[in-house]
Amino acid sequence: DTAVSQTPKYLVTQMGNDKSIKCEQNLGHDTMYWYKQDSKKFLKIMFSYNNKELIINETVPNRFSPKSPDKAHLNLHINSLELGDSAVYFCASSQEGWQTEAFFGQGTRLTVV
Amino acid sequence: DAKTTQPNSMESNEEEPVHLPCNHSTISGTDYIHWYRQLPSQGPEYVIHGLTSNVNNRMASLAIAEDRKSSTLILHRATLRDAAVYYCILRYTGNQFYFGTGTSLTVIP
Repeated sequence: DTAVSQTPKYLVTQMGNDKSIKCEQNLGHDTMYWYKQDSKKFLKIMFSYNNKELIINETVPNRFSPKSPDKAHLNLHINSLELGDSAVYFCASSQEGWQTEAFFGQGTRLTVV
Repeated sequence: DAKTTQPNSMESNEEEPVHLPCNHSTISGTDYIHWYRQLPSQGPEYVIHGLTSNVNNRMASLAIAEDRKSSTLILHRATLRDAAVYYCILRYTGNQFYFGTGTSLTVIP
């Protein structure tokens, strides 16, 4: 069983569309994250959720909205997609605590045309 | 944010040890040092972490300087499958994992 799974793996869409990326973890973790990796390969944290509550919202346009229906899921909804949103998006989860490790999904490659 | 500094790239011959350095001069007493790696077209994966003492696991060893301002990830025998970008991360308040630019490791057959 995949620990952290994201769907879809690839997403090609036109500018202006609204799209969602789903993430599920089966590890029983209470913290989940979304990261964006741009073309320069820099991994930037976007959001962090702990027990379904938002605890980090980095400087991210409000077109991006995370939704956590339960502890095992953290979905990312993006409105009015722009060319600059093209990137690989990674979901991750961890148990609370500074010494715990994070598990990452395989990523969703979003291409906006 | 506590930051880390790593060389952009390193090369190693296959089956030789690799020492990947990381500077974290602004580290505070409660920051854990984590290492992750990202293989091509995959998500980052955990390698090792530590606080003060050196650590060993099946993947690697982590050597932490006495003043904790630097650390070194040691791969004892590099294989072609170890070619990846290696990230040194300080884990602190709020559960964040802030990634730096990492070191791209090339393993030469």
